[in-house]
Amino acid sequence: DAGVTQSPTHLIKTRGQHVTLRCSPISGHKSVSWYQQVLGQGPQFIFQYYEKEERGRGNFPDRFSARQFPNYSSELNVNALLLGDSALYLCASSPLRGTAVPDTQYFGPGTRLTVL
Amino acid sequence: RKEVEQDPGPFNVPEGATVAFNCTYSNSASQSFFWYRQDCRKEPKLLMSVYSSGNEDGRFTAQLNRASQYISLLIRDSKLSDSATYLCVVTSIFTSGTYKYIFGTGTRLKVLA
Repeated sequence: DAGVTQSPTHLIKTRGQHVTLRCSPISGHKSVSWYQQVLGQGPQFIFQYYEKEERGRGNFPDRFSARQFPNYSSELNVNALLLGDSALYLCASSPLRGTAVPDTQYFGPGTRLTVL
Repeated sequence: RKEVEQDPGPFNVPEGATVAFNCTYSNSASQSFFWYRQDCRKEPKLLMSVYSSGNEDGRFTAQLNRASQYISLLIRDSKLSDSATYLCVVTSIFTSGTYKYIFGTGTRLKVLA
């Protein structure tokens, strides 16, 4: 089975531009989460989507937005890019079986964004 | 205080050594705990889940102490291939019933020949 896929793998943008990152979850997984990982730090939670609805949001500015499509793939959009947005953006999928115990999340290879 | 704290290391150990990492968390309501491994410039990959009863997978042993709010990972007989960053993960539940992962900063391990 294919794992989580993300595109593009690398991206270079300039300050003020907009970027769209894409993620396809593991087949059968209905939940997608986005994380930002800057160098030397652990990943930080940005959004979680389940059944096309936003279920959780991290402490990120409104320049960050996301959506989930009927096929459960997802896009992360970042407007008005700043130098500090340079990071590895990770997408994770999970089955989210609806039980009280959190499922394991499986990560994609990430998109490395550089803002100049 | 950070929600999840880890010693960033690096831990430089010789091959064959035993090494232990600890991680503390602040939210006593956290329900699930994991250790992930991350190689340089790659995505995190699940190493093991952590249970109150402790669990072992080959050379790796994870323990959870809910009373003291810490998680540990023990690696025995270290191999060169164990060199990586080890990320401690704690889950936090949203009111919607879903959850997020809260990561520590990671502990770097370098196993030396």
